[in-house]
Amino acid sequence: DQQVKQNSPSLSVQEGRISILNCDYTNSMFDYFLWYKKYPAEGPTFLISISSIKDKNEDGRFTVFLNKSAKHLSLHIVPSQPGDSAVYFCAATRGTYKYIFGTGTRLKVLA
Amino acid sequence: SQTIHQWPATLVQPVGSPLSLECTVEGTSNPNLYWYRQAAGRGLQLLFYSVGIGQISSEVPQNLSASRPQDRQFILSSKKLLLSDSGFYLCAWSVLGGGVGTQYFGPGTRLLVL
Repeated sequence: DQQVKQNSPSLSVQEGRISILNCDYTNSMFDYFLWYKKYPAEGPTFLISISSIKDKNEDGRFTVFLNKSAKHLSLHIVPSQPGDSAVYFCAATRGTYKYIFGTGTRLKVLA
Repeated sequence: SQTIHQWPATLVQPVGSPLSLECTVEGTSNPNLYWYRQAAGRGLQLLFYSVGIGQISSEVPQNLSASRPQDRQFILSSKKLLLSDSGFYLCAWSVLGGGVGTQYFGPGTRLLVL
């Protein structure tokens, strides 16, 4: 049972435009969500997180939105840059030691 | 600042051989430690996590095992590797603050079993 899903395996965006990466979850008990960026042959790098008590968190070009009623979160990158090309993972946890990851979305920013 | 080390970076092993991957964390105490595997074209699969020395929780039945001999050391082992053990192995750590913490990952070990 995939509790965290990233239904788009890949996304291409023009440089300077907005990139929107989506993530859906099924467990309403999740209370903390994270986004990671991963380059090939490297470990994932933490980008941004959001608590379930919020619906938006912003950090520079990155904004995460949480819609609890829809069990959906999204990561917006504005403006997109070629260096943002990577695989993005969302993850969720419910205040425990376990983090559940999605399968990732490969973002390609075209120059 | 905190640092996480993994070695080796790359490993090629024959089927049936043993495995030992090591992970160490610096700059923090009592971290929660994790082993994940990313198989080709797939997401991150949690294999083991540990909340303290000698405390290991296994998430997926397999021929792998984990040990935590010291507070900041986490070891992934196998007595006999299978072809299906090939993948990218990631160690991670977190420290709970207010009940939830962010996880930070090491650089990973690419394992190829032939």
